[in-house]
Amino acid sequence: DAMVIQNPRYQVTQFGKPVTLSCSQTLNHNVMYWYQQKSSQAPKLLFHYYDKDFNNEADTPDNFQSRRPNTSFCFLDIRSPGLGDAAMYLCATSSTLPGETQYFGPGTRLLVL
Amino acid sequence: AQTVTQSQPEMSVQEAETVTLSCTYDTSESNYYLFWYKQPPSRQMILVIRQEAYKQQNATENRFSVNFQKAAKSFSLKISDSQLGDTAMYFCAFMKHANSGNTPLVFGKGTRLSVIA
Repeated sequence: DAMVIQNPRYQVTQFGKPVTLSCSQTLNHNVMYWYQQKSSQAPKLLFHYYDKDFNNEADTPDNFQSRRPNTSFCFLDIRSPGLGDAAMYLCATSSTLPGETQYFGPGTRLLVL
Repeated sequence: AQTVTQSQPEMSVQEAETVTLSCTYDTSESNYYLFWYKQPPSRQMILVIRQEAYKQQNATENRFSVNFQKAAKSFSLKISDSQLGDTAMYFCAFMKHANSGNTPLVFGKGTRLSVIA
């Protein structure tokens, strides 16, 4: 089945230790998104790629970066995780057709010790 | 900027009953899309239903239907014959139209729905 895959599902890191989360998709969608979702809150968009064009939300901390080496893969790098970065990180994809649905992965839950 | 408001943080419903979740939004756009997403506990977010603003007819998907009132900027979700598997967080979301490409979703804060046996 075509899908959005996130690895790992759970990630534990230490305060200040860089961490990378990955997302892959078999939907061949041009657009990929990274969201941060804290407990019982709405997802907050961090950035998105339209093909290789990177779009950073204005309030995304500099501590967060992303890479998209090809259509299928996208990575979220947190350079120096703080306690406040503990959250669920959701990857989503969509086609470029206007108004198309976003398809979400299962998320990676990040714990910062 | 667009905003989406869900005024009911939590709701509960008896199994087999009907429940309506509220959503209002604010936008100056004339063409846009509205979505309801479901996020079950510890499971991934999935689309429940989608509405195109230029369509007057309310979208339906099996037990799920919406009441879209464009003038009032209201987009409520009705779940009929509620099932235990409907227990989840429900997010209302807005997407403005763009002629080329897709635009990010703006989410409401969510409504936690519990279906009680």
